[in-house]
This record gives sequence, structure tokens and C-alpha cells, in this order.
Amino acid sequence: AQRVTQPEKLLSVFKGAPVELKCNYSYSGSPELFWYVQYSRQRLQLLLRHISRESIKGFTADLNKGETSFHLKKPFAQEEDSAMYYCALSGSNYQLIWGAGTKLIIKP
Amino acid sequence: KAGVTQTPRYLIKTRGQQVTLSCSPISGHRSVSWYQQTPGQGLQFLFEYFSETQRNKGNFPGRFSGRQFSNSRSEMNVSTLELGDSALYLCASSLEGARGLAFFGQGTRLTVV
Repeated sequence: AQRVTQPEKLLSVFKGAPVELKCNYSYSGSPELFWYVQYSRQRLQLLLRHISRESIKGFTADLNKGETSFHLKKPFAQEEDSAMYYCALSGSNYQLIWGAGTKLIIKP
Repeated sequence: KAGVTQTPRYLIKTRGQQVTLSCSPISGHRSVSWYQQTPGQGLQFLFEYFSETQRNKGNFPGRFSGRQFSNSRSEMNVSTLELGDSALYLCASSLEGARGLAFFGQGTRLTVV
């Protein structure tokens, strides 16, 4: 079965501290994985995708096929990072499979 | 390029009524997906349309339906509204072949009273 799991509904860290948002997936095949972000009162938007292997707003995510994970990391959190983060997997039938989301709160 | 546009932005309906929401995708995008977003359930996939055909469907009752027009604009309809249908309904469009690269509208906030 195709599934995306984000184990933390809420993650709260202090400004300047490292952030890691966890995402695990279940998929038979070569997955395409994404992180989407939704800032307060803004539309849901793509943050990054694993095939790009790029850093966006200081965030990176590495696909670990052995651990079936795609965790989102940032070494030093900023207050503007506070948002809802969704991990998603592109399935074989073009459908995006979504995790439940993690609300990230950065404390000043 | 204009983004994904959803209308109306806000709606208040009474139980038992029906509602139609509209989504205009980015020009050139032929795939349109609909989602229901609630604080408790997160993002729940409703259905996806491509070239006027429903290509994927989520686990929602038959009261939820949709369609897509030849210009790729899409509508979703909810009949016999229930209180639990109160949610933010999101539409996303994407290019065929750009798997996973979805562009979202700002949503329609539906409140059922």
C-alpha cells in the first residue's frame, strides 16, 4: 500500500535551533517525494522535491531508500519558518499521497 | 501567469442544501485535483480530473461530485450538505507529466450551519 506518515502533528523549537520534520513512506517502486508548506493565510505551495536535491529557504531533504524516509531539515530555525508542512509522494497513477502534516512552531 | 483561482472564497450554507465550487487552473494545466482540508483530518483527496475525465477518486461519499470542462476549468458539487462538510476545499492544477508538482488555489472556505 502507498502511504506517507508524518509522526509528529506538532513540533515546537526555539529560534536558532535545528529542525527536523520526519516523513516515512511506503511505496513499491521508485518514489517521487515532495515537501509542501502552508504559511498562515497563504496557499499551499511546493517547498522542495527530492529529485532536485536543492536547498530552499535553508531546508534540505534527503531520500533514504533503506529507511524509506524523506526527513526535512534545517540547521537553524527562523521565526518565519512557522507553518504547516506536508510530505507527499507521487504515486503510480499520478495521484499525490499526502501525510497528515506537521505544524511547526518556532519560538522566539 | 495567473495562478489557480477558486471561487467563491467563502460560503455559508444550511444543512441539506447543495453547493458548487469553481476552480480555474493555470493556463496550460489539464489536471485538476480537489482536496478537503480540516484541522482534524488534514488534506483529504477528493478526486482528480484530466481532460474532462475523472482519473482518480478518493474515499468520499457520492454526495461529492465534480466535473471538468473543455477549457480545463473544474467544478465540484456537494449535495445534501452536512455539518461535517464544513472545511477548506482546495483545488490544485498541474501539467501532465509533472508528477507531484501541484499548484494550489487559495481555497473555498465552506461553513455549513
